[in-house]
Amino acid sequence: GQNIDQPTEMTATEGAIVQINCTYQTSGFNGLFWYQQHAGEAPTFLSYNVLDGLEEKGRFSSFLSRSKGYSYLLLKELQMKDSASYLCAVRDGGNTPLVFGKGTRLSVIA
Amino acid sequence: KAGVTQTPRYLIKTRGQQVTLSCSPISGHRSVSWYQQTPGQGLQFLFEYFSETQRNKGNFPGRFSGRQFSNSRSEMNVSTLELGDSALYLCASSLQVSDEKLFFGSGTQLSVL
Repeated sequence: GQNIDQPTEMTATEGAIVQINCTYQTSGFNGLFWYQQHAGEAPTFLSYNVLDGLEEKGRFSSFLSRSKGYSYLLLKELQMKDSASYLCAVRDGGNTPLVFGKGTRLSVIA
Repeated sequence: KAGVTQTPRYLIKTRGQQVTLSCSPISGHRSVSWYQQTPGQGLQFLFEYFSETQRNKGNFPGRFSGRQFSNSRSEMNVSTLELGDSALYLCASSLQVSDEKLFFGSGTQLSVL
């Protein structure tokens, strides 16, 4: 089976750094994705990791450890507009659909 | 370039009715996936279509069905609606099956009373 776990809610302060963790157990592995979803809006793609290590893209970075079944999304210099749900998703095969975790709702407070 | 368009945006139905949701992918995208999103379960995969053929199917009952037309537009149908079908139905498109990046529409919010 497939299992993807991430915290349900997190709160962080404007200007700070927050790390959102995701652990997964899948039969295979063909990539890990992070999406951002603001309330009432469509999820939007943030990052994609298929090899171990850190991928940096502006204020957002994503890390992957395949041996540990673990990823995190790092958000730096938090802004109020970063308040959203962050969805971790895994593809376990070549032509299989994305399997999503339940999402982490991040609240950024002043 | 227009994004993924889903219609209608909101829908209210009663138990036992059936419903059809529509999705127009980004121009040039040939793969369309459907997901059900609920607060308790998150996004759950329904099905994926490419070139009018269903390529993958999730673990939903046969009341949930879909199709894709030659212009890549897709529809999904839910028959004999149940209260538990109340959810946000999201459509996503990509160039190919299992592409790195999915582009999501804003969804259809279905309420079953």
